[in-house]
Amino acid sequence: QKEVEQNSGPLSVPEGAIASLNCTYSDRGSQSFFWYRQYSGKSPELIMSIYSNGDKEDGRFTAQLNKASQYVSLLIRDSQPSDSATYLCAGGNTGTASKLTFGTGTRLQVTL
Amino acid sequence: NAGVTQTPKFRILKIGQSMTLQCTQDMNHNYMYWYRQDPGMGLKLIYYSVGAGITDKGEVPNGYNVSRSTTEDFPLRLELAAPSQTSVYFCASRTGQGVETQYFGPGTRLLVL
Repeated sequence: QKEVEQNSGPLSVPEGAIASLNCTYSDRGSQSFFWYRQYSGKSPELIMSIYSNGDKEDGRFTAQLNKASQYVSLLIRDSQPSDSATYLCAGGNTGTASKLTFGTGTRLQVTL
Repeated sequence: NAGVTQTPKFRILKIGQSMTLQCTQDMNHNYMYWYRQDPGMGLKLIYYSVGAGITDKGEVPNGYNVSRSTTEDFPLRLELAAPSQTSVYFCASRTGQGVETQYFGPGTRLLVL
């Protein structure tokens, strides 16, 4: 069974610090990975996507992928209280109608 | 564009009742998905569709049915509701070009008592 594992948290970081969120996956066939942010009572919204080994940066967010270690991470620099949410990691591949397997999410709390 | 819309936002069902959760997208996306999310958990795929007239089971299809008569609509049918179906249901869609992002609807919160 394909699995995506995340620490449920909460991960607490002070405002302005770097938040580091981690995810491991079991399916070596997964080619694409996504980080979704989900505020309480809301639907998931895409933060980052990453397809190749290495880093991908977008503003304050950096996604990192290491396919050899089956590891994905998300770094949030200069964390803000508005970043407080649950972050869902998801992996998928093009061969199965691009179905995504989601982790259970890591709850991030940014404290003042 | 409204994106992905879902109705109703919230519903209470009695055990054994049936209902249809509506999902509509106006982005002309071929692929559509239904997920359920239990408290503190990730999203579990119920059913998906790769185009009008084509549907397939996901990870947790038991107790649900779907149809896809048009590109825009992908309703989810619950027959004989059970307390285990208490959850938040999300519909999502994407264009079908590789593994690009899925766009999510606002969700339907369902309580079965």
